[in-house]
Formats: sequence, C-alpha cells, structure tokens
Amino acid sequence: DQQVKQNSPSLSVQEGRISILNCDYTNSMFDYFLWYKKYPAEGPTFLISISSIKDKNEDGRFTVFLNKSAKHLSLHIVPSQPGDSAVYFCAASGSGNTGKLIFGQGTTLQVKP
Amino acid sequence: DAGVIQSPRHEVTEMGQEVTLRCKPISGHNSLFWYRQTMMRGLELLIYFNNNVPIDDSGMPEDRFSAKMPNASFSTLKIQPSEPRDSAVYFCASSLGVAGNTIYFGEGSWLTVV
Repeated sequence: DQQVKQNSPSLSVQEGRISILNCDYTNSMFDYFLWYKKYPAEGPTFLISISSIKDKNEDGRFTVFLNKSAKHLSLHIVPSQPGDSAVYFCAASGSGNTGKLIFGQGTTLQVKP
Repeated sequence: DAGVIQSPRHEVTEMGQEVTLRCKPISGHNSLFWYRQTMMRGLELLIYFNNNVPIDDSGMPEDRFSAKMPNASFSTLKIQPSEPRDSAVYFCASSLGVAGNTIYFGEGSWLTVV
C-alpha cells in the first residue's frame, strides 16, 4: 500500500516554462515533506522541504506547496532549465524532520532546450 | 570532500550466494541509513542507525537481511541467501543527526541476483 504517490511517471516541459510535479499522500500523521532530485547513477540529493505547519516554502527557482486538507503537495520549478532534467522523489516523514522517510515512486522530468 | 562511499558499485551474483554491501558514511555524521530502490516499490528505508545503534529495522524485508555498524565509519548490509527478488539498487546515506533534509546519499550499489 503506497502511502506516498507520484502518479505521473514522467513530465516533459520546454526550457523557461514552469514544471509542476505532484505528490499525494494518504497518512494524515505525516508532518514533514521533502523533495529529492536524482541524476542517473547518483544517489538522491535533498532539494527542498516543508513542514506541515506551513503551506508554502520557496528556495530560488523551487517552491513547494502543501495542501493538507487534500493531502497533496507539489513542486514548482520556474523557470525550468535543461539541468533540472532528473528524477524527482517526493518523501514524507511522520515524526518531524527525520531520516525515516516514505518515498514516492518518482517522476522523471525532462526539460527540453 | 568525500561523500558517502559504497562498495561494490555493481554486483552480479547467483541465487543462494551471500552478498555483502559496504558503506563508509561521511566523517562526523552520526546517523546512517540503508535504503533500497526497486521498480515496483520505489525507495524504501530498510534500517537506520544512530550513534552506531540500530534504531529502526522495521523495513528489513526478512531474516535473510542483516545490517551491522561496528563503528562510526563503517556499515554492512548482508543478504544470505540471496534471491532474484533482491535485485535492486541499495543506497547508504548518512547525516549529522536524523534530520531528513540533511541526509547525504551514496551513489548506490547495483545488485543483480540471477
């Protein structure tokens, strides 16, 4: 039973446009959410996070939105760049900001020049 | 500046053989995590250690899997006997403390059991 779901396996956008990656979760006890980025043959790297007490967190071109009532979060990348092409994993924690993370399946983003 | 170092990077082994994956965390980090990535289940936490002590091993799939951390700079994940369904990428990660946003992942060990 997948507690964190990324329903879109892949996404393709044009350079300069907005990329929106979505993530849904089922466990209302999750209180901290993270996005990781993964290039081929490398491990995931932390991108951005948000606590459940917030509904938005921004870091440069990356913004994460959290809608607790809908159990939904999204990652916005504006503007998208070819170097953003990677697999993006959504992750959730049920005990604050801990390393015990439940990951989604990942979404492969391709940004076309 | 060395990151998390995993070995071997790739391993192909026959069903029934013992497999040992190794990890050297970042120096000074006191938490270590073993994750597994498969097509079917994505990234799953198998076990994590804090100050060399296993804190949560609820993700370890079965008794064939074991993990140890004899000291702050070394950990192993052992599968005995290995089965084809164990084929996956195994990631080791470390952090200072247990905060998820400070976890650094290694490059992974690609295991194929035939």
